[in-house]
Amino acid sequence: QSVLTQPPSVSAAPGQKVTISCSGSSSNIGNNYVSWYQQLPGTAPKLLIYDNNKRPSGIPDRFSGSKSGTSATLGITGLQTGDEADYYCGTWDSSLSAVVFGTGTKVTVL
Amino acid sequence: QVQLQQWGAGLLKPSETLSLTCAVYGGSFSGYYWSWIRQPPGKGLEWIGEINHSGSTNYNPSLKSRVTISVDTSKNQFSLKLSSVTAADTAVYYCARALTIFGVVTRYYMDVWGKGTTVTVSS
Repeated sequence: QSVLTQPPSVSAAPGQKVTISCSGSSSNIGNNYVSWYQQLPGTAPKLLIYDNNKRPSGIPDRFSGSKSGTSATLGITGLQTGDEADYYCGTWDSSLSAVVFGTGTKVTVL
Repeated sequence: QVQLQQWGAGLLKPSETLSLTCAVYGGSFSGYYWSWIRQPPGKGLEWIGEINHSGSTNYNPSLKSRVTISVDTSKNQFSLKLSSVTAADTAVYYCARALTIFGVVTRYYMDVWGKGTTVTVSS
């Protein structure tokens, strides 16, 4: 059902880096801004990145976002155990006139 | 600090109408869209729809025939009604504040979220 495709899971050791991809189309990522959300177990999603690459106040610079064409990427450096969570990308889809989310990616710290 | 507090019935029977309300505390009600998102058990996020302070709405096309989102600006509250529920509507339902600028390139993100309400549909 999700319009945006993410890898189901990524993992790395503490202190390492992970990247999460989000693939869409010209009607969503290709022509609109992307946001990223972190969902810790049993909690509501939290905004991590907005406008493709901006961090809200309080979000450490270990988290970064980028966009190229119809894909977006979330990067997490200096991985910590507290980063274990599900991560979702989101954007507006101009064809659907609706918000669409990615399929979600579970980050595991080994 | 803006906070969203949501409430509503947590157990419904098939064919009943889901009804949830979200109250906005500590911030402006105008200038934003107010959204509903749901998450079935073990699954991802699904956007349901949104409303602004003027009552302008946008709905997920897949749910549009069953969804009504309304606003009460006098109480800084907005509400969700989903009719004819089935087991497939079992989910955690979240309300959220959305910053939106529609245009040739649309900016859209949700920066404040409620804690979620678990809704179970079962006979």
